[in-house]
Amino acid sequence: EVQLVESGGGLVLPGDSLRLSCAASGFNLSTYSMSWVRQAPGKGLEWVANIKINGHEKYYADSVKGRFTISRDTTKSSLYLQMSSLTVEDTAIYYCARDVGAALLRLYYFDSWGQGILVTVSA
Amino acid sequence: SSELTQDPAVSVALGQTVRITCQGDSLRNYYASWYQQKPGQAPVVFIYGKNSRPSGIPDRFSGSSSGDTASLTITGAQAEDEADYYCNSRDSSGNRVLFGGGTKLTVL
Repeated sequence: EVQLVESGGGLVLPGDSLRLSCAASGFNLSTYSMSWVRQAPGKGLEWVANIKINGHEKYYADSVKGRFTISRDTTKSSLYLQMSSLTVEDTAIYYCARDVGAALLRLYYFDSWGQGILVTVSA
Repeated sequence: SSELTQDPAVSVALGQTVRITCQGDSLRNYYASWYQQKPGQAPVVFIYGKNSRPSGIPDRFSGSSSGDTASLTITGAQAEDEADYYCNSRDSSGNRVLFGGGTKLTVL
């Protein structure tokens, strides 16, 4: 069974840094692309970042580019999101999600999600 | 374009059919996927590709696409279908992920 479990959230001050982790089990992390998706309170889903199967290609939403870094450790079967220069606008539930599909099929989707972890940025 | 547009809210009478739409240029290149999210829960994929449903998703849910618009249709809506629905696709490069703003479905 595929499981994704996020951790590392909490209350931080504006300008602080925080690292989120996502422990993956039931599959080989090195054979999937992975994403972080967030949801501000009462708002919709917002994609944050993804890391491709090769582990080198990484893409970011404009809202976090230069402040957030996605990475993975396949030996620990874990996905990470290093967040810096946090602002109140980064307050959200952060989900990690397994990304499946292929461009040739014109098809991509998230087939598994974690339960989410709350990050609150407040003075 | 890097946007997907959904109606913020839709309602349907119990047992009737409802269509939720998602519009964006990226849908000319990539199929939409559809997610259901209930309060306090993570999203769950309901439709992906041309019209595929993961195991366990009721067959009253179906997907379709035409041009720059994708649709999620619920045929015979049930009370438990009341939820937020999000469409999802990719930008023209296929690397960046797009989400629609979400549609809140109310079953009357």
